[in-house]
This record gives sequence, structure tokens and C-alpha cells, in this order.
Amino acid sequence: DAGVIQSPRHEVTEMGQEVTLRCKPISGHNSLFWYRQTMMRGLELLIYFNNNVPIDDSGMPEDRFSAKMPNASFSTLKIQPSEPRDSAVYFCASSFIGLNTEAFFGQGTRLTVV
Amino acid sequence: GENVEQHPSTLSVQEGDSAVIKCTYSDSASNYFPWYKQELGKRPQLIIDIRSNVGEKKDQRIAVTLNKTAKHFSLHITETQPEDSAVYFCAALATNKLIFGTGTLLAVQP
Repeated sequence: DAGVIQSPRHEVTEMGQEVTLRCKPISGHNSLFWYRQTMMRGLELLIYFNNNVPIDDSGMPEDRFSAKMPNASFSTLKIQPSEPRDSAVYFCASSFIGLNTEAFFGQGTRLTVV
Repeated sequence: GENVEQHPSTLSVQEGDSAVIKCTYSDSASNYFPWYKQELGKRPQLIIDIRSNVGEKKDQRIAVTLNKTAKHFSLHITETQPEDSAVYFCAALATNKLIFGTGTLLAVQP
């Protein structure tokens, strides 16, 4: 398995534009997490899915953020409209809760909103 | 919900010395405590983990201890080397939610 795959690796967009981040988890994993990393706040959990179902989105900062997992091999995190304070590195991670439990991270997407 | 606090935020040691990073958690239902290392510009990667039925675990120069009563767990790195320099994150898993501490920037001075 190639591991957790995120795209794009880097995204620069203008304020007000829609941004979509993508994640392909490791095959067979049943949980998927979206994190946002900044110097000030560290690794913040935004939302997590279990068996493709959103379980807890209490970390999503505002209604401008939304996430979907239409199937076991794909998830998206969307920001609309984007703002400069959304600039951060966004990580996706997947794991098999209940067996190994280790969470594997993707390479991250570095988002810059200008 | 779960809250994980991590200290110190920065730690500088001389090569060969030991480094200790401490975390506390709030949810008594937490049962899995991994530690991740993140090198500059890279993704976090698991270096060691411990489950709630174990008090201590060791892997070469790194060890983790867990005190469930006090809700504390710690990472110990002995004989530190320059390549240990990185950001270290503790985490706690409760009700399938993995919550991270704010990270410790470890600098090992040669």
C-alpha cells in the first residue's frame, strides 16, 4: 500500500475562493481523521469518520468548512469561502481502530490563502 | 471531551543527555497513548505507543510510562543524538477520537 495519499501537496488561493483538499486512506482502515496544523495551535482535530460516517465534527471551526467521505477510499475537506486565517498544513490520517490503532498520516497539504 | 496537555513546549539538551516530555489527559476512558515524531516539513510518524493495561514500554533508547490514576504519561529518550531533534506529539485515544497534545520542540545540541 502506498500509504495515505493527499492532494494537492501545496495550494495557493485567493481569499474568497473555494478550496478542496483530498485524501485517500490506507485500504482496509475504518477510521479517517482530518487535522489542521499551525504553529499556534499544533495539531487540531477537525473531524473524524468511522466506516465512512462522520462521528464528530466539533473541531470544524466554522460553517465554511465541510468534509465528506462518499466511500471507504476517498474523503474531501472543503473550505468555502477561504480566508487568510485558514492558511495552515492540513493532514489526513487513517487507522483501523480496534486492531492496530496506529494512525498513519498523509504528507499533508500546505494551504496558503492570500 | 478529551483534552491533552503537553510540557514543555521546547526542550534543549546536550547530545548524550536524556530528554523527558510529559503529557496529561482528561478523559478516563482513554485507553491508547501513542507518541509521534515530526521532522521539519514532514508528516508525524509513530515512534512508540502504550495501552492502558501496561505501565511502561521500552524500545531501545525510547521508553514511555503511563500512570492511569494520575492520568499522566511520559516519553523518555536516553543518550540523545542530533537526529532526535524534531517536534514530538503525545496523543490519547478515547471513543475512537485521537487527540494530540500541542507538541514539544526538542533540540539536541552536538
